[in-house]
Amino acid sequence: DAGVIQSPRHEVTEMGQEVTLRCKPISGHDYLFWYRQTMMRGLELLIYFNNNVPIDDSGMPEDRFSAKMPNASFSTLKIQPSEPRDSAVYFCASSFSFSLRGTEAFFGQGTRLTVV
Amino acid sequence: DAKTTQPPSMDCAEGRAANLPCNHSTISGNEYVYWYRQIHSQGPQYIIHGLKNNETNEMASLIITEDRKSSTLILPHATLRDTAVYYCIVRVVTGTASKLTFGTGTRLQVTL
Repeated sequence: DAGVIQSPRHEVTEMGQEVTLRCKPISGHDYLFWYRQTMMRGLELLIYFNNNVPIDDSGMPEDRFSAKMPNASFSTLKIQPSEPRDSAVYFCASSFSFSLRGTEAFFGQGTRLTVV
Repeated sequence: DAKTTQPPSMDCAEGRAANLPCNHSTISGNEYVYWYRQIHSQGPQYIIHGLKNNETNEMASLIITEDRKSSTLILPHATLRDTAVYYCIVRVVTGTASKLTFGTGTRLQVTL
């Protein structure tokens, strides 16, 4: 498996534009996580899904942010409209269902978003 | 999930063991201890996890105290490539309510 695949790797957009980040989880994984990382706030969990259903979106900063998982192999994180303070690296991660022993999450390489 | 406390930074000489401590005094009985690391500009990478017994894999060893209120990650022979930020996380792993929440971590600098 190629691992968690995120696209694009880099995105530069103007303030007010819509931005869509994409993620393909590892095949068979049924948990998917979206994180945002900045120097000031570190790694923040935005939202996570289990079997394509959003479980906890309490980390989504504002209504401008939305995430979907239409099927087991694809998820999007959308920002509309984008603002300069949204500039960050966005990571997607996936894992199997948790057993009594627990399982690790695998992370993608991230999308570096710059809003000017 | 229980909070963790880690030193912000540590240094280690190449070839020596790196011992990274973590305090998790409010850990619950159903929470595991996980360790991840993040090398500059990359996504976090899983290292190891455990519940109450010590664990070892090809990357590291995890020592958990008997009361489970603290743990130590051991990199037995640190190399320059181990320079990274190391995150200790405690996490419930049963059911759907299982977040993986990162703190500020320990920045490990391995030097010649």
